[in-house]
Amino acid sequence: AQRVTQPEKLLSVFKGAPVELKCNYSYSGSPELFWYVQYSRQRLQLLLRHISRESIKGFTADLNKGETSFHLKKPFAQEEDSAMYYCALSPRNTGKLIFGQGTTLQVKP
Amino acid sequence: DVKVTQSSRYLVKRTGEKVFLECVQDMDHENMFWYRQDPGLGLRLIYFSYDVKMKEKGDIPEGYSVSREKKERFSLILESASTNQTSMYLCASSSTGTGGEKLFFGSGTQLSVL
Repeated sequence: AQRVTQPEKLLSVFKGAPVELKCNYSYSGSPELFWYVQYSRQRLQLLLRHISRESIKGFTADLNKGETSFHLKKPFAQEEDSAMYYCALSPRNTGKLIFGQGTTLQVKP
Repeated sequence: DVKVTQSSRYLVKRTGEKVFLECVQDMDHENMFWYRQDPGLGLRLIYFSYDVKMKEKGDIPEGYSVSREKKERFSLILESASTNQTSMYLCASSSTGTGGEKLFFGSGTQLSVL
């Protein structure tokens, strides 16, 4: 079965602390994985994709095929990072996305 | 900038009513999607479409249908609304072949079925 699991509903950290949002997936082939973010009163938008191996707003995510994980990390959280974060998987050649349950990140001052 | 527009931000309907949710995109995208967003459940795919007059069932199509008569417009239809269809509905679009998984989302329609 194709599935994305985000085990934490809420992650609360203080400003300047490291952040790791967990994402595990279940997929038989080579996955394409993404992180999407929804800031308060804004639309859901793409944050980053594993194939680009990029860092966006200080966030990075590494695909670990052995652990079937794609955790999102940032070394020093900022208050403006507070948002809902969704991990998503795209089965090859389908164009659709399967989303996880989402994790709310709360960065306290 | 890509614009995905959903016709209503808030909608209140009664049980048994037929409900239409409309979505329009202005970037000539081939792919369009309807998701529902529920706390603790994330986004779940209802239906999607790769082209005009084409549709594919997502993970939770029961109780819904869709229509895509024009490339820019994708409608979600609740044939007979029920209270368990109270939810936030998100429309999205993407372009095939250029990282098709970069979805552009609308601002959502919060539907309440009473």
